[in-house]
Amino acid sequence: AQSVTQLDSQVPVFEEAPVELRCNYSSSVSVYLFWYVQYPNQGLQLLLKYLSGSTLVKGINGFEAEFNKSQTSFHLRKPSVHISDTAEYFCAVSDLAGTYKYIFGTGTRLKVLA
Amino acid sequence: DVKVTQSSRYLVKRTGEKVFLECVQDMDHENMFWYRQDPGLGLRLIYFSYDVKMKEKGDIPEGYSVSREKKERFSLILESASTNQTSMYLCASSLIRQGRGYTFGSGTRLTVV
Repeated sequence: AQSVTQLDSQVPVFEEAPVELRCNYSSSVSVYLFWYVQYPNQGLQLLLKYLSGSTLVKGINGFEAEFNKSQTSFHLRKPSVHISDTAEYFCAVSDLAGTYKYIFGTGTRLKVLA
Repeated sequence: DVKVTQSSRYLVKRTGEKVFLECVQDMDHENMFWYRQDPGLGLRLIYFSYDVKMKEKGDIPEGYSVSREKKERFSLILESASTNQTSMYLCASSLIRQGRGYTFGSGTRLTVV
């Protein structure tokens, strides 16, 4: 069975500082990996995804993530955050074995401080 | 861009009422999903559907049912609402190929009093 762990429930960071949001997954098969962002009172929006190929994936709003197969991680990074990045971030995994469902982590609330 | 529309943003219902949450997508997606989101628990799958009239239980189907009579519409039904069903409900859709990602609606915040 697959699982996704987001160890940090909240991450406070000052504006213009770098940030890393951690995501680890568990799966016995190859996977697709996703990061979604949820702004207050909105649905989830796809930030970026890893399907195959280059392990460094670039997404919208200056975010990027690196797939590390040996460490089963898919951490999200941004070199300089803005107040507008304050949101909740969800990591998700889907295996390649034919199921339609994604497994989501419990989310990390990023709070950018002025 | 594909759009997923949930009929209500906020809903207040009484205990015991039958509640319908509606979701419509406009890009011919095969898959549709209903999740509930609670603080500290993330997103939990209630039901999903991969075709018209087809449905499968997710992780927490108890107290819920669904209906998919047309490809674009997926309804979540709370047969007899209870206070522990107070939550944010998110609908999503996707193409049958997994790599495309989900598209989510804006959510319905349901309060059962």
